[in-house]
Amino acid sequence: AQSVTQLGSHVSVSEGALVLLRCNYSSSVPPYLFWYVQYPNQGLQLLLKYTSAATLVKGINGFEAEFKKSETSFHLTKPSAHMSDAAEYFCAVSDPNAGGTSYGKLTFGQGTILTVHP
Amino acid sequence: EAGVAQSPRYKIIEKRQSVAFWCNPISGHATLYWYQQILGQGPKLLIQFQNNGVVDDSQLPKDRFSAERLKGVDSTLKIQPAKLEDSAVYLCASSRKREGKSYNEQFFGPGTRLTVL
Repeated sequence: AQSVTQLGSHVSVSEGALVLLRCNYSSSVPPYLFWYVQYPNQGLQLLLKYTSAATLVKGINGFEAEFKKSETSFHLTKPSAHMSDAAEYFCAVSDPNAGGTSYGKLTFGQGTILTVHP
Repeated sequence: EAGVAQSPRYKIIEKRQSVAFWCNPISGHATLYWYQQILGQGPKLLIQFQNNGVVDDSQLPKDRFSAERLKGVDSTLKIQPAKLEDSAVYLCASSRKREGKSYNEQFFGPGTRLTVL
């Protein structure tokens, strides 16, 4: 079974500071990995995804993440936080080799709430 | 392209009452998902449809939850009777039909926030 663990349920940064949200995964095979963002009272929006191509993945709004197999990690970063980045972020994993009913199934972490201070 | 639509956006009911949620996926998306997101947790898949057929309902509490997707388009999720622990946001998502090994992004609706008193 696959799982993800997001370290830190709340992260607080100052505007302009580095954003680092941590995600570690557990999987018996190289997984597909995703970061989603959820703004208040909205659905989830895909920020970026790793699907076994380049290990450094760039997403929307200046975010990027690096797949590190040796560390089983997929941490999300942004060099300079903006007030509009305040939201909840979810890491998710999927098994690319899953067949039948399991294909495309996402398993989410518990989420990290990012607060950005002026 | 219109996104995934859900209604109602908010619902408050008493325990033991019934409630239904509606989802209209993105046009042409064959796969539809219902997730339950309890406060402080990530979304958990309840049921997955491919066209109008169920392909995964292993996490659906079938004694009280039911879902259908008539004609392979809109879907409804029903809870009868509701319990206090059903208070959550119910998210609907859709994606294109799988072709080969390519990954098809899931697009999420805004969700329905259910409060059971």
